[in-house]
Amino acid sequence: ETVLTQSPGTLSLSPGERATLSCRASQSVSSSYLTWYQQKPGQAPRVLIYGASRRATGIPDRFSGSGSGTEFTLIISRLEPEDFAVYYCQQYGNSVFTFGPGTRVDIK
Amino acid sequence: EVQLVQSGVEVKKPGESLTISCKASGYNFTSYWITWVRQMPGKGLEWMGRLDPRDSYTKYSPSFQGHVTISADKSISTAYLQWSSLKASDTAIYYCARDFKSFDYWGQGTLVVVSS
Repeated sequence: ETVLTQSPGTLSLSPGERATLSCRASQSVSSSYLTWYQQKPGQAPRVLIYGASRRATGIPDRFSGSGSGTEFTLIISRLEPEDFAVYYCQQYGNSVFTFGPGTRVDIK
Repeated sequence: EVQLVQSGVEVKKPGESLTISCKASGYNFTSYWITWVRQMPGKGLEWMGRLDPRDSYTKYSPSFQGHVTISADKSISTAYLQWSSLKASDTAIYYCARDFKSFDYWGQGTLVVVSS
């Protein structure tokens, strides 16, 4: 089973700042199957980025994803107040999905 | 509009059985897998398993294999998650999601509380 590690665990930033979130896999992941989700308190997660770099419908272009192999990155170019949330990466491989433990982005 | 509407809050005792549901609308139910995700209180997301509504083929996470059963009734576009004997550690929010290698639509979640 592919284990995903996310860093940092918590990111404390101010609105307008740039956020860089990392997702590292224990073995190579197909870029087609690397997804990022955002979850706000009391809400279901929503997909932000799929296929490592493709924005989901309705996702603002301040969100971007990149990476390949075992290293993937989610960047939020300028944090808006509504972006403070928990972010999870997820991969699909060998017929199973795994999630990373999440990165919390909170207001500094 | 794609929607996944889950059944409501459940409060159960250890050892009891439970089935929660996820009703899909706004798309062809048999065209996408349905997946279930657990979120324990204050914790992250855990993938439990998925089902192909065309033939009810299921694939479980090794962590959940044998502990839950995923099923569906395609005639009413509804998926189910079932326990035969609940434990206190099953207390969590359970989400269903439409699954096509990423989870693009999610239900609102069902809170299951297991307490004596």
